[in-house]
Amino acid sequence: GAGVSQSPSNKVTEKGKDVELRCDPISGHTALYWYRQSLGQGLEFLIYFQGNSAPDKSGLPSDRFSAERTGGSVSTLTIQRTQQEDSAVYLCASSFLSVSEQFFGPGTRLTVL
Amino acid sequence: GNSVTQMEGPVTLSEEAFLTINCTYTATGYPSLFWYVQYPGEGLQLLLKATKADDKGSNKGFEATYRKETTSFHLEKGSVQVSDSAVYFCAMTGAGSYQLTFGKGTKLSVIP
Repeated sequence: GAGVSQSPSNKVTEKGKDVELRCDPISGHTALYWYRQSLGQGLEFLIYFQGNSAPDKSGLPSDRFSAERTGGSVSTLTIQRTQQEDSAVYLCASSFLSVSEQFFGPGTRLTVL
Repeated sequence: GNSVTQMEGPVTLSEEAFLTINCTYTATGYPSLFWYVQYPGEGLQLLLKATKADDKGSNKGFEATYRKETTSFHLEKGSVQVSDSAVYFCAMTGAGSYQLTFGKGTKLSVIP
């Protein structure tokens, strides 16, 4: 079946603009995760969804970052007033249960000019 | 808190050479341990895992053994191929947790 998909694959934006990144998890997976991969910080956890609720937002770096999930499926990560330090690859993963293997999408490369 | 330390790269090996990438962890309780691989232009893929002490994970000729006494999970392969060129990440989840904590990654290049 289809894996985790993310769109867009690349996004270039200007400092101060808002961006939305989309994740389509594997069908039937109840858990969804966002991670960020940057040169300076490596791979960092951002947020975890179980169904449509986000019990763990501890990794979101600032209040400019938010995420939602609808219908227990698609998730959107929104970054408001982007800054150059937001430039990174944003990875989405999903798993059948919260303690099951996480399957990763190809990522969205965000570049903030 | 939880943390993972892995050897820094890049690592360059000739084809058929022996590979070791060191990984150690810090955690409370008994974490699950993973190796992920990221091939050029592709997403992260789970390579192997071990969920309890002395477990050995293996896949595609790669192996790693969960050593509680040394808090280590070193990745090994007896004979690397050019197609193994990728970035390898050691990772863990805390006991009963979902949040993956990753090492910085080690870039492996295998030359013919």
